[in-house]
Amino acid sequence: GAGVSQSPSNKVTEKGKDVELRCDPISGHTALYWYRQSLGQGLEFLIYFQGNSAPDKSGLPSDRFSAERTGGSVSTLTIQRTQQEDSAVYLCASSLERGNQPQHFGDGTRLSIL
Amino acid sequence: DAKTTQPPSMDCAEGRAANLPCNHSTISGNEYVYWYRQIHSQGPQYIIHGLKNNETNEMASLIITEDRKSSTLILPHATLRDTAVYYCIVRGINAGNMLTFGGGTRLMVKP
Repeated sequence: GAGVSQSPSNKVTEKGKDVELRCDPISGHTALYWYRQSLGQGLEFLIYFQGNSAPDKSGLPSDRFSAERTGGSVSTLTIQRTQQEDSAVYLCASSLERGNQPQHFGDGTRLSIL
Repeated sequence: DAKTTQPPSMDCAEGRAANLPCNHSTISGNEYVYWYRQIHSQGPQYIIHGLKNNETNEMASLIITEDRKSSTLILPHATLRDTAVYYCIVRGINAGNMLTFGGGTRLMVKP
């Protein structure tokens, strides 16, 4: 079946521009997660959505970062006024409701800020 | 989440079984063992998870010791495409929202 889909796969933009990254989770998955991974580094948690509950935004590094999830499915991560340190691979994952259910990841969006 | 210890790297001959160990001596009763792998330029891929019984799926087998302090991921017939970094994660159902990867084991499958 279809996995987690992310677009674009690569994004190059100039410092100061806004970017939007999209995630289509696996159908039926109520939980959705955003992470980022810098070169050679581990995962950095950004934000978590579960059903109609208020999202857990505790991992967002600054107020330039925001995310929304419309209709409990597709999610968009927006970075405003991008900085060079925002360059990373942004990964989306989804899972069935919490508990022991594993997270399934997309292949990410590689964001490069010039 | 309980800390895990994995060897930094391993080699395996193509066609042979790859046995990847993981120590998690501080695991608690409600924590599951998860295995993921990450191939260069791809997102992490879920492989398998278990609580205390051995588990098998189309990708791998997971063997958990009776005391649950260690586990082994077995790829029964490794192929070149199995070359990746393999992560063992111990996580409780109430662990919160984030997944934390340690250093993992870099498995190199050689022809």
